Order: sequence, then C-alpha cells, then structure tokens
Amino acid sequence: DIVMTQSPDSLAVSLGERATINCKSSQSVLYSSDNKNYLAWYQQKPGQPPKLLIYWASTRESGVPDRFSGSGSGTDFTLTISSLQAEDVAIYYCQQYDSNPLTFGGGTKVEIK
Amino acid sequence: EVLLLQSGGGLVQPGGSLRLSCAASGFTFSNYAMSWVRQAPGKGLEWVSVISGSGHSIYYIDSVKGRFTISRDNSKNTLYLQMNGLRDDDTAVYYCAKDHEVTREWQLLFDYWGQGTLVAVSS
Repeated sequence: DIVMTQSPDSLAVSLGERATINCKSSQSVLYSSDNKNYLAWYQQKPGQPPKLLIYWASTRESGVPDRFSGSGSGTDFTLTISSLQAEDVAIYYCQQYDSNPLTFGGGTKVEIK
Repeated sequence: EVLLLQSGGGLVQPGGSLRLSCAASGFTFSNYAMSWVRQAPGKGLEWVSVISGSGHSIYYIDSVKGRFTISRDNSKNTLYLQMNGLRDDDTAVYYCAKDHEVTREWQLLFDYWGQGTLVAVSS
C-alpha cells in the first residue's frame, strides 16, 4: 500500500497570511503513460463530508477559490493557501488514487493564529 | 444538482449486521463508479470499497473482506453497503462518494460525497 504522510499535523496562520501543507507518498504517484500525478487534496470542515479542492496535483476543482493551489510531482506535494480566510479553517487531506487501495494522508488541521 | 442521500446506520452489537444505502440523483448513476469511505470518531479518512458503474468490478480493503458487501441497483440509482460481523473498530461515520470522471472501471477521485451516516458498534 502507498503510505501518505502529511506535515505538519496542525498549523496556525494569521488571517491573510500563507499556509503551506506538505504531503509525501511512499512511492511515486506519477503515472508515466500519461505524465499525471494521481494526487488530490480535500478540505473537511467539522460535521461535513470532505470537499475536493485539487486533483492531478495541481488542477483546481470547479468553484474552488484561486487562493488554493497545489504543486509537486512524484512523491512530494504541497497545498498552499495564499491568503488564509476565516472560512478556510478545516482539516486538509491528501489522497493518492494511483493504485489500490487508495490511501489518504493523516490530515493537517489549519487554524487561525 | 448532484445529490447523494444516505440512510441506514445506527447502533449495533458486535457481530451484528447493518445495511447502508446511498440514493443518487442529478447524474447518470450507472456511468460512475461509487465508493464507501469511513471516518472513525476524531480520526482520518479510510477508503473501504468501490464498485464500478456496471457493478461488475468490486474492490475491498483487507479489513472488511468477507464481512462487507458493496452493491448497486442502477434501476433505482442506489448504492448499498451490507455490513456483517461488525466489530468495534468498524465504528465510524460512513460516506458514499462518487467518482469524478467516467472510466472503464474506477478513478477513485471523489467530487461528491453523501452527508455521512454513523455506524456505532458497541455492546
């Protein structure tokens, strides 16, 4: 199974400041035949199901604000919130969909400082 | 508008059974693979099972093999999870989730999720 490791476990950022979350996979999720990274990011607020933010490592889902961006390739990925808003307080999960079983990172809790 | 409306769940004793349902609307249900994902209280997300749009292909994580059965009725636009032999560590909120794209089997990237239903296994 591919192990997804997120860091940090939590972070506190001031409103309007940048938040950066890292995700590392135990093996590459870059599929050579299509040159795509099978890596997604989700946001989960308390009492709600997860919401898809980013897929193919850097493609923003429709309707997601452009302050959210994804980067990275192979085994190392980053989710960046360029200017943290109050509504961004949530837990963020990375997920690989390269191979079965699909696996999620442990989550990163983002709070306001 | 895509909607996934879940039902079922509740409190059950160890060794008991439950069936979860997920009624879909707003998209061509039979075209999309569907999954179940669970989240133990205060914990992260764990994918449980997937079924292809046709229902011909199925996958389970090892910890539920032989105990859980995923199925779908495309005539009713409904996904199911039959859970037998429930254990304490099956306690979680269970979500159904829709694949983002139409594929031959599954993509395992989820653009819509049900509201979640709690399964509590306790004596």
